[in-house]
Formats: sequence, C-alpha cells, structure tokens
Amino acid sequence: EVQLVESGGGLVQPGGSLRLSCAASGFIFSNYAMSWVRQAPGKGLEWVSTLSSSGTIYYADSVKGRFSISRDNSKNTLYLQMNSLGAEDTALYYCAKVEYYYDSTGFNGRAFDYWGQGTLVTVSS
Amino acid sequence: DIQLTQSPSFLSASIGDRVTITCRASQGISTYLAWYQQKPGKAPKLLIYSASTLQSGVPSRFSGSGSGTEFSLTISSLQPEDFATYYCQQLNSYPRLYTFGQGTKLEIK
Repeated sequence: EVQLVESGGGLVQPGGSLRLSCAASGFIFSNYAMSWVRQAPGKGLEWVSTLSSSGTIYYADSVKGRFSISRDNSKNTLYLQMNSLGAEDTALYYCAKVEYYYDSTGFNGRAFDYWGQGTLVTVSS
Repeated sequence: DIQLTQSPSFLSASIGDRVTITCRASQGISTYLAWYQQKPGKAPKLLIYSASTLQSGVPSRFSGSGSGTEFSLTISSLQPEDFATYYCQQLNSYPRLYTFGQGTKLEIK
C-alpha cells in the first residue's frame, strides 16, 4: 500500500525558513517523480514543485528562488526547503507521487496518483 | 504559462442528476489533463488522467472527455458521496508547470 506522510510544518515568522519532509512507502521511491502541492486556507490547489526520478526540477513562479525541492532515495524521503517565507505561503502542503502512463503508442500522460494528508505551514508574527 | 479556467465555480444539483464541469486551457495541452475530487479535510483523489481514462477504483459514473483546450468531467447520476470540490490539472510537457484550475464546488440542491 502506497503511503505518503508529510511532516515539518508549523508556525514560522515572516522571513523565516522551514523544511518539510515526506516519507514514502509501498513503492520504489527512486523510480518516481514526486511533487509538492499547497492549499491556502479556504482556497484551491496550487502546484509548487516537482522533482523527477532523474533529478530534473520544476518550480512554480511563486516560489522560484525561495523554495528548494530535494530527495534522499536511501531514506525514501522527499523534502521542501522553504526560505524567505511570507504570509502568502501559509497553506497545507501536500506531497504527491507522479505516475506516468503509457499505451501502445507510447507516453500517454501523467498524473498525481497518491497524496499524503498534508502538513500545515503558518507564516505569522 | 498555461492557465486553466473551470466553469462553473459553483454547482448545485440533486441526487440522480447528470452534471458536467468544463475546464478550458489557455493553450493546447493535447490530452495531458487530470481531474481530482477533494472532500473537506481530505487530500485530493485522482479520478481521471489523460483526459478520459478512469483511475482504477473510480466508479464508472465518472467520465472525462476533450483534447486541446476544451475538457469536461461528467457525473452521470449524482450520488451523495459525490458532493465535493473538483479540480482539473494540466500536465503538459512544456512548460513543465502543472497548474490546477480554480475548482468547482458541487453542492446538494
């Protein structure tokens, strides 16, 4: 059974830093791209970042230069280092596993097929 | 960047109704679109990927269609457990920015 468990959230002052972790189990972690998605209170989903199995990294413009995604395949863990935090970063942060799909013609798409329950980050003085 | 616009943002319907939610992309994304369902206090759940393929375990009353810039999610006969918020997400290869639509909240009439 696939499980994703986020941790590391909490209350942080504006301008501060925080590192989130996502412990994965139930699949071969090193073979999959992983992502972070956040949801501000009462708002919609916002994609934050994706790290491919080969190490390619993608960030949303809203976090580029402030957030850093990484992974430790030996620990089956995904990380999100968040710096220069502002009130706009207050949200529930989810990690998600990225599945790639193929058919008889080849690559057919991708989707976030498993999600953790999230860890809450609150930026406030 | 590719923007996704869902319509409607709110939808009120009754048990047994057939409902359709639309997702429009600002540029063509082939069929690289997924749909998710989110209930209050819960993580999103994948319903459909590649625009029209049902995720394993998802009831067949859910279906997706579309390609390019116009997509839709249809629930053929609403059940009590379907009242939730639905999001589309584009997963195009370029640019690799996996944006979500703003969501559609489906409520009981």
